[in-house]
Amino acid sequence: DVKVTQSSRYLVKRTGEKVFLECVQDMDHENMFWYRQDPGLGLRLIYFSYDVKMKEKGDIPEGYSVSREKKERFSLILESASTNQTSMYLCASQTRGGGDTEAFFGQGTRLTVV
Amino acid sequence: AQSVSQHNHHVILSEAASLELGCNYSYGGTVNLFWYVQYPGQHLQLLLKYFSGDPLVKGIKGFEAEFIKSKFSFNLRKPSVQWSDTAEYFCAVNELSGSARQLTFGSGTQLTVLP
Repeated sequence: DVKVTQSSRYLVKRTGEKVFLECVQDMDHENMFWYRQDPGLGLRLIYFSYDVKMKEKGDIPEGYSVSREKKERFSLILESASTNQTSMYLCASQTRGGGDTEAFFGQGTRLTVV
Repeated sequence: AQSVSQHNHHVILSEAASLELGCNYSYGGTVNLFWYVQYPGQHLQLLLKYFSGDPLVKGIKGFEAEFIKSKFSFNLRKPSVQWSDTAEYFCAVNELSGSARQLTFGSGTQLTVLP
């Protein structure tokens, strides 16, 4: 069974704090993604990575950065949290090659910035 | 950049009614297409996928989708919905170019099935 594990289910942080969201996958997938999910807006891609130390901006990268030092781990960093970053954050992983390339999701981290 | 449009934001049906949810995408190259479902309180899970071959694909729980390349569409269908189909449905597109494979989702359709 593919497992994508996000380090926290719920987080409450103060405005201005630096926040780290961690995601680990156990299937040796090349691709990893960070999304935020907001009502009526669906899943919006923040950043993705297709290999170690490689990253690509998604549709809404402002205010975020990422780190991929190891293949299995993809971290999302909020440099200075703001209240408009209150959201559900979803991590996903996907194999790059042909054939079955569906993405698998973690359970999500609900972040509240106060 | 590619985009994915789901035109129905909220659909309300009675049990046994037929369902069709629209999905259109903008990318002109080769794509993989997906429908994901999120039941209340649960994480996203795959409903069905299209990679190549027969454009009519069948998924779990009686769902199917048809890929129409000329219309850039991948609509989801079910002939007879059940109360347990109440969930949010997301269409997603993977563009297949280069090493980076962006996976883009639509804004989702909330389906409510009335008993």
